[in-house]
Amino acid sequence: DAKTTQPTSMDCAEGRAANLPCNHSTISGNEYVYWYRQIHSQGPQYIIHGLKNNETNEMASLIITEDRKSSTLILPHATLRDTAVYYCIVRAQGGSEKLVFGKGTKLTVNP
Amino acid sequence: DAGVIQSPRHEVTEMGQEVTLRCKPISGHNSLFWYRQTMMRGLELLIYFNNNVPIDDSGMPEDRFSAKMPNASFSTLKIQPSEPRDSAVYFCASSLDRGLNEQYFGPGTRLTVT
Repeated sequence: DAKTTQPTSMDCAEGRAANLPCNHSTISGNEYVYWYRQIHSQGPQYIIHGLKNNETNEMASLIITEDRKSSTLILPHATLRDTAVYYCIVRAQGGSEKLVFGKGTKLTVNP
Repeated sequence: DAGVIQSPRHEVTEMGQEVTLRCKPISGHNSLFWYRQTMMRGLELLIYFNNNVPIDDSGMPEDRFSAKMPNASFSTLKIQPSEPRDSAVYFCASSLDRGLNEQYFGPGTRLTVT
């Protein structure tokens, strides 16, 4: 699977939008972008995934650039409970089911 | 739905003892994954099963580790003999089937080997 690059940490004010970037410059045409997060002392939690179109669900929005070399996860109104490590992962359709977790971005939402 | 269930939640054992971690996947899910998380190595996949058959065990660190899935609703990860470096949080996850389905993680088992 292609590697991803994320900032080590980010801060966000409560109630504001949190925009978490991810670079995946070597992504292949059949690879999807997945986002998971891990709140302290809990198991990782799926957030959203996409191929090339922007996606939105009840948790977040995923914006993928036209060349698919980078993406941004957007939490529209961050709360204190969104403080977590956010992982961006690329995974191929028809490939292994393995999720390869990097170091992720530690997002801290401040009151 | 109760989600993925793991037991025990915490395990403290002495070096050399056998440790068995248990997992019950979400009903109807056909794929099951065992991960290990440490500060040094992060979150890494140990093994995964599809329809109770091990598909990829390349992440199993050594022969002291073994995993079984005797039926669709139960899996074990065994360490024998345990060593202090096995101390970690072990997560079990399940997904609906092979493909792009998201994985649902359990709460984890925190293992401490003294």
